[in-house]
Amino acid sequence: DGGITQSPKYLFRKEGQNVTLSCEQNLNHDAMYWYRQDPGQGLRLIYYSQIVNDFQKGDIAEGYSVSREKKESFPLTVTSAQKNPTAFYLCASSPQSDYGYTFGSGTRLTVV
Amino acid sequence: GEDVEQSLFLSVREGDSSVINCTYTDSSSTYLYWYKQEPGAGLQLLTYIFSNMDMKQDQRLTVLLNKKDKHLSLRIADTQTGDSAIYFCAERVGGYQKVTFGTGTKLQVIP
Repeated sequence: DGGITQSPKYLFRKEGQNVTLSCEQNLNHDAMYWYRQDPGQGLRLIYYSQIVNDFQKGDIAEGYSVSREKKESFPLTVTSAQKNPTAFYLCASSPQSDYGYTFGSGTRLTVV
Repeated sequence: GEDVEQSLFLSVREGDSSVINCTYTDSSSTYLYWYKQEPGAGLQLLTYIFSNMDMKQDQRLTVLLNKKDKHLSLRIADTQTGDSAIYFCAERVGGYQKVTFGTGTKLQVIP
């Protein structure tokens, strides 16, 4: 079955560390997205990519970085520059059409 | 600007209808979506409506769109305990990548 997989489900980061969240899809979707979810704030867009080797900043890109070397993969690195990284991170993908996004099951990142 | 607003919480009794409301500010929205998020999970697309439609029905779900008031609603008929979740509306303005999500409404279904 086609889908979008995020790993790990839970991640703990120490202060000053960089961590990378994985997102892989086998839906043959061109576009991929990273969102951050905080209670009561909905989803905020971090980065998105419409094609391989290209990506754009979203509304809250500071302290994050991404790469898109393969169509299937869009990893997100949370750097030490992100001052408040504890949140639920959601990856999504979509075809270049109107049918909405397919989401992964999320990664919960906690700073310890 | 693009702002999508929802009330934070709704409580209904099992078997009743639920109505979740959403307001948006961008009159050039082309598509509007409803997503469902169960605890600890990602979002699941429930339904969507094109901006030139007033209503769309899909089994127990009815979506109503009032473009004049920039108001979108999702009605769930015969609400079940399995419908307990957070519901997000989202609007697309321009290209498929330009989607803004609301704050989410937590639906609690009381048995």
